[in-house]
Amino acid sequence: AQSVTQLGSHVSVSEGALVLLRCNYSSSVPPYLFWYVQYPNQGLQLLLKYTSAATLVKGINGFEAEFKKSETSFHLTKPSAHMSDAAEYFCAVSYLIQGAQKLVFGQGTRLTINP
Amino acid sequence: EPEVTQTPSHQVTQMGQEVILRCVPISNHLYFYWYRQILGQKVEFLVSFYNNEISEKSEIFDDQFSVERPDGSNFTLKIRSTKLEDSAMYFCASKGQGNSPLHFGNGTRLTVT
Repeated sequence: AQSVTQLGSHVSVSEGALVLLRCNYSSSVPPYLFWYVQYPNQGLQLLLKYTSAATLVKGINGFEAEFKKSETSFHLTKPSAHMSDAAEYFCAVSYLIQGAQKLVFGQGTRLTINP
Repeated sequence: EPEVTQTPSHQVTQMGQEVILRCVPISNHLYFYWYRQILGQKVEFLVSFYNNEISEKSEIFDDQFSVERPDGSNFTLKIRSTKLEDSAMYFCASKGQGNSPLHFGNGTRLTVT
């Protein structure tokens, strides 16, 4: 069975500081991993995805994530936080990339940016 | 850019009533999904739908739930007799062929009183 654990339901950083949102996964087969972002009153928007190519994945809005098999992690980072980054972030895992892909989500991390 | 649209954005219903949540997936997509998020909890998979039938469903998706693609554009989730614990945000998603990601709608917040 696949699962995702996001460490920290709430992360608060200062504007301009490093953002680090943690995600660890459990999968019995090679995983496909995703980060989604949810801005207030909006749906889930794909930030980036890992599909067994490069282990360092770059996404939208300056975010990137690194797949580390030895640590079963897929942490999301951004070098310098912006006020507009305030949102809820969800890590998700899937064992299928084509066809009827089913995502298993983590509990989400709410990112707050302090001025 | 094409979007998945969901209506209504907020639905309030009384316990025991039937509700239909509506979604218009992206037009050339082939795979359709419903997920839900109870307040403060994870986004949970409910059901996937392909080729006019359910391809997978979770244990949450019991007999009170059903999905339908009645006219080739809409994708609906029906909850037959709502319970208080059905209160949640319901997300529709669709996906194209191959290696494309899921696209989510903005969700319908269902409140059962």
